[in-house]
Amino acid sequence: GNSVTQMEGPVTLSEEAFLTINCTYTATGYPSLFWYVQYPGEGLQLLLKATKADDKGSNKGFEATYRKETTSFHLEKGSVQVSDSAVYFCALIDAGNMLTFGGGTRLMVKP
Amino acid sequence: NAGVMQNPRHLVRRRGQEARLRCSPMKGHSHVYWYRQLPEEGLKFMVYLQKENIIDESGMPKERFSAEFPKEGPSILRIQQVVRGDSAAYFCASSPGTGFHEQYFGPGTRLTVT
Repeated sequence: GNSVTQMEGPVTLSEEAFLTINCTYTATGYPSLFWYVQYPGEGLQLLLKATKADDKGSNKGFEATYRKETTSFHLEKGSVQVSDSAVYFCALIDAGNMLTFGGGTRLMVKP
Repeated sequence: NAGVMQNPRHLVRRRGQEARLRCSPMKGHSHVYWYRQLPEEGLKFMVYLQKENIIDESGMPKERFSAEFPKEGPSILRIQQVVRGDSAAYFCASSPGTGFHEQYFGPGTRLTVT
């Protein structure tokens, strides 16, 4: 079956530091890949997506590249802000239409 | 354009009671998905519905849980005879149809069973 593994948190960074959150996946087909963000007490918001190999998704300074050879979709941001503090979920969707999520990574950014 | 609506946002039930969670998809969306988030865990798929049809319920517990998406009105996730282990956040998502892989999430219903 499908699965998503992402680095455990919490990840604690100072403002303006570089962020990487690792995500790898296992899928039977050719999935689309997503990063969702969850702010405290809220639902999930789609941050970015990539639908095929070598696609780069980007939004709000965050980027992730769909790497089929390493089955990875690592999230990066060059300079984090306090307002980026949240839980980040890597996810994939395959032919079945349901999202398969990783366990989430909590990011804490200190001023 | 209103997003996915869920109510109630918070629900407290005693063991043995029933919980009813409602989800109104985004306008124009005919596909609804329910996910459950246990404390400190990721989201797990429960069920996928279209209007009047259950498409995939492979993530639903076999007993006490049911879901519907009637022709008119919101989708309902129903949990009968709740137990403490049902305490979780339940999220609904919607999409316009097959081939549209983006799912838009509601704010969730946080169920607490006392």
